[in-house]
Amino acid sequence: DTGVSQDPRHKITKRGQNVTFRCDPISEHNRLYWYRQTLGQGPEFLTYFQNEAQLEKSRLLSDRFSAERPKGSFSTLEIQRTEQGDSAMYLCASSLWRGPVNEQFFGPGTRLTVL
Amino acid sequence: AQKVTQAQTEISVVEKEDVTLDCVYETRDTTYYLFWYKQPPSGELVFLIRRNSFDEQNEISGRYSWNFQKSTSSFNFTITASQVVDSAVYFCALSEATSGNTGKLIFGQGTTLQVKP
Repeated sequence: DTGVSQDPRHKITKRGQNVTFRCDPISEHNRLYWYRQTLGQGPEFLTYFQNEAQLEKSRLLSDRFSAERPKGSFSTLEIQRTEQGDSAMYLCASSLWRGPVNEQFFGPGTRLTVL
Repeated sequence: AQKVTQAQTEISVVEKEDVTLDCVYETRDTTYYLFWYKQPPSGELVFLIRRNSFDEQNEISGRYSWNFQKSTSSFNFTITASQVVDSAVYFCALSEATSGNTGKLIFGQGTTLQVKP
């Protein structure tokens, strides 16, 4: 399978705990995006990387959130001191950036439930 | 400010009916791209189509067709002879080419399509 993969697919945690999600993009895709999707809504942009550089972060990404993409391959998204409002589906997408437009290919997502 | 509106929250049709999903967008950029994605119950977003702001030609792909009209800022999606497998949530999305070239997608709220046998 050469698509975008995410791990874990589901995560249940208690409020105040830290969680980390992993995304493996399509091989050789230089851009990687994180989105958050709450129930009944469309995905919202959180941040993106070009290779290993994090180039933009949304206002949605509070100080409790941190993302990395060491070596420009897989990426991790960590949420510290989780809150119930963090419950959502976290989607990762990758693309091969060649110019003004790119088609993003999405992974299956990680569904986070904060109790 | 950029925005995508999908006014239809849910649509229910009977198999073989045609159905149109509406999408209206707002942007100040002159160069932008519009997308449609499908999200089946499994959750993974599947890319369907991309159009750029300079190409208003309608496109047909099998039972799918798209109508892009800059004059009304709309990019509607029609499924002809719908099938049960078309049941999913459909998202329209916008990407602005001149906003730092981030490529980030701005999604609408989605339209849930239910096709009944």
